[in-house]
Amino acid sequence: DAKTTQPPSMDCAEGRAANLPCNHSTISGNEYVYWYRQIHSQGPQYIIHGLKNNETNEMASLIITEDRKSSTLILPHATLRDTAVYYCIVSDSGAGSYQLTFGKGTKLSVIP
Amino acid sequence: DTGVSQDPRHKITKRGQNVTFRCDPISEHNRLYWYRQTLGQGPEFLTYFQNEAQLEKSRLLSDRFSAERPKGSFSTLEIQRTEQGDSAMYLCASSRADSGNTIYFGEGSWLTVV
Repeated sequence: DAKTTQPPSMDCAEGRAANLPCNHSTISGNEYVYWYRQIHSQGPQYIIHGLKNNETNEMASLIITEDRKSSTLILPHATLRDTAVYYCIVSDSGAGSYQLTFGKGTKLSVIP
Repeated sequence: DTGVSQDPRHKITKRGQNVTFRCDPISEHNRLYWYRQTLGQGPEFLTYFQNEAQLEKSRLLSDRFSAERPKGSFSTLEIQRTEQGDSAMYLCASSRADSGNTIYFGEGSWLTVV
């Protein structure tokens, strides 16, 4: 089972910031928080990941709470092309683990 | 394009036929993964390789499914005696084996069994 909880759907107005929440209360110390998105009929696209600190890249920002039990993915200026299913995943995805366990994600609809 | 490449992108086959999908990972990645995704669900892990060794295969759905990575580069996923329930998107992904490294996915191979 997925170790994360996400709302099933969200709407966001085009040009506004989209804030997607994720709860991961059982995260362990060596597990990262990963975000992927999947646009209809395409493979999952990596967005960002973090361990403890907030992270930002050209696509998004990731805010992780101090206790690491929840996080928020921020798309600063949502466009119609950001309409997708967004998956929040916790995994060490490296030496100790080998897979990502996907839940159902959040379906983000960007409204014109 | 230096991403994960999958072939074919779409395959329609008759029930009972065998199908094979190929995956070419990102060149410096030593780990390769196969996932399956059915409509309305998130991707489901099937198996993975580190170099040429298949280190986890218990999640393969049945003995009709097999995967190989003979030289530690490209991989194939074969489904024998296909059934209608095998209709899905088969995703390949790759990564380096170090902790925290990102897993990158290909565009997937759609299988329709008629």
